[in-house]
Amino acid sequence: AQSVTQPDIHITVSEGASLELRCNYSYGATPYLFWYVQSPGQGLQLLLKYFSGDTLVQGIKGFEAEFKRSQSSFNLRKPSVHWSDAAEYFCAVALSKAAGNKLTFGGGTRVLVKP
Amino acid sequence: NAGVTQTPKFQVLKTGQSMTLQCAQDMNHNSMYWYRQDPGMGLRLIYYSASEGTTDKGEVPNGYNVSRLNKREFSLRLESAAPSQTSVYFCASRAGDYGYTFGSGTRLTVV
Repeated sequence: AQSVTQPDIHITVSEGASLELRCNYSYGATPYLFWYVQSPGQGLQLLLKYFSGDTLVQGIKGFEAEFKRSQSSFNLRKPSVHWSDAAEYFCAVALSKAAGNKLTFGGGTRVLVKP
Repeated sequence: NAGVTQTPKFQVLKTGQSMTLQCAQDMNHNSMYWYRQDPGMGLRLIYYSASEGTTDKGEVPNGYNVSRLNKREFSLRLESAAPSQTSVYFCASRAGDYGYTFGSGTRLTVV
């Protein structure tokens, strides 16, 4: 069965510093990859997704992610974090784009931003 | 505003009570999903509906039932609530490869 691992449960970063969130997946083929962000008390918002092509994907809010097939990773980055980036971030994978296709989520990484 | 609407936002149940969580989307999406979110475990799929008239079990279906009432609505029912069902429940919908749209969640506490 496919699985998604986010090794870091919590990350604390200073405002203005760079941020990198790790995501590793386990699956025989290349899945479809997503990053979502969840602000406190809110639903999940899609930051970016990777289906194929260029392995560096740009998303909203200044985030980007890089797919590395050799490492089965899809790490999320932001060059300079803002206080509003404090949230929980989820990596997710899907096996296909077919109807009814299901997302499998990692356990999440909570990001705290210090002033 | 277009999106996924969940009701209620908060609910407290006593063990053994039943309730239905409602979900509606106005984006004409074919697929709809119910997830539960528990600390450290991310979101886990309870049930999903690939299209109107079909439903299938996800990863954690025990204790739940669903109904795809029409293309817009997908409800989740707890027949006899248990404390282990205390969680935050999210409904989502999807069309094509444009990603999933999530509702704002229902926070359920079973005492």
